[in-house]
Amino acid sequence: GENVEQHPSTLSVQEGDSAVIKCTYSDSASNYFPWYKQELGKGPQLIIDIRSNVGEKKDQRIAVTLNKTAKHFSLHITETQPEDSAVYFCAASRYGQNFVFGPGTRLSVLP
Amino acid sequence: DTAVSQTPKYLVTQMGNDKSIKCEQNLGHDTMYWYKQDSKKFLKIMFSYNNKELIINETVPNRFSPKSPDKAHLNLHINSLELGDSAVYFCASSQGTGGTTEAFFGQGTRLTVV
Repeated sequence: GENVEQHPSTLSVQEGDSAVIKCTYSDSASNYFPWYKQELGKGPQLIIDIRSNVGEKKDQRIAVTLNKTAKHFSLHITETQPEDSAVYFCAASRYGQNFVFGPGTRLSVLP
Repeated sequence: DTAVSQTPKYLVTQMGNDKSIKCEQNLGHDTMYWYKQDSKKFLKIMFSYNNKELIINETVPNRFSPKSPDKAHLNLHINSLELGDSAVYFCASSQGTGGTTEAFFGQGTRLTVV
């Protein structure tokens, strides 16, 4: 079955700096890669996703890149703000299969 | 207007008791899930239902029994609760068969077994 690894487990950045979180997956058939943000006391919420036919996707300060050959994908947050502080999860899945989540990255943006 | 709602938000109970967590989605989605999040924040799938039919049942003790009375509801019943069942349980839903579209999560139910 699918296995998703995520690094780093914790990340502290200064406000205004960039943050990068990296994930690898094991199942080459996976073709959907969402990123979720979980704030304290809340459920995970989708912030961006990418499909296997695309190498990069951007939405304002957030971007995701996918390298299918190497089976890894990354989340990039630019100009970080205190409200970006949360736990971020990557996930991998394919049609008819459940999402397999990475172990999460706790991001702290220091003012 | 909450998309995926779970009740209760907090549940404290003694070992050996039986409890239920309810979940409802008003998004018209076909697939609903239950996830368990442990103290280290790891999210693990427990069950997946598509149109009231069980699709995925990961290695979960049979003390956990999901019930889907209709497409919009997926409840979780837990028998003979154990200390190790303490966790946050999330209900989620997604369109289609699942796996290729966004999953919407509820706010979670924090279960504490004492």
